[in-house]
Amino acid sequence: QQPVQSPQAVILREGEDAVINCSSSKALYSVHWYRQKHGEAPVFLMILLKGGEQKGHEKISASFNEKKQQSSLYLTASQLSYSGTYFCGTEEVGSSGDKLTFGTGTRLAVRP
Amino acid sequence: DAGITQSPRYKITETGRQVTLMCHQTWSHSYMFWYRQDLGHGLRLIYYSAAADITDKGEVPDGYVVSRSKTENFPLTLESATRSQTSVYFCASSETDRGSDEQYFGPGTRLTVT
Repeated sequence: QQPVQSPQAVILREGEDAVINCSSSKALYSVHWYRQKHGEAPVFLMILLKGGEQKGHEKISASFNEKKQQSSLYLTASQLSYSGTYFCGTEEVGSSGDKLTFGTGTRLAVRP
Repeated sequence: DAGITQSPRYKITETGRQVTLMCHQTWSHSYMFWYRQDLGHGLRLIYYSAAADITDKGEVPDGYVVSRSKTENFPLTLESATRSQTSVYFCASSETDRGSDEQYFGPGTRLTVT
């Protein structure tokens, strides 16, 4: 079952902040965040692991609430380059392999 | 070229034909994945592979076949293409066997089945 992302779309002015949420009904081992620009491949942003470890982008932060199976991506002081579709990918506890289940995405547009 | 590549980048085929999409990575990553991306569905896993000669089904495997005789290659075959398989296909690879490393995505193949 795909994780649920919210909001589905958001429009910002440059410099504004945004939060994108990802919620799963399953116990999670990790949450990945990717950004995809139109016509391009998804690009890695951040991994949050059960237990608190994080790996990722310097200017983007995220949180992972293991008990609630939720993650949030925080985009602060947004830049035009932040525009794109953001996907969370979840890895379930006990799943075999490095499989991720992706949400349906959040479209973010940053205007000058 | 270093990285992960896919070929062809664009393909138009007819219903019922067999089509093979190629994926090649130069990092010797153990794990490789095939996803399809459709509007409203995000990325859905078709098949994945933990190593050469080890493959397993993902969320939407019906109508697809994979093989992995060499670590660097992971071709995806549509045995008898259907219109519902019109999509953008992404191949990805990762280094480790847990969700602790990023997946690197290829540029994608846009497939149209007429």
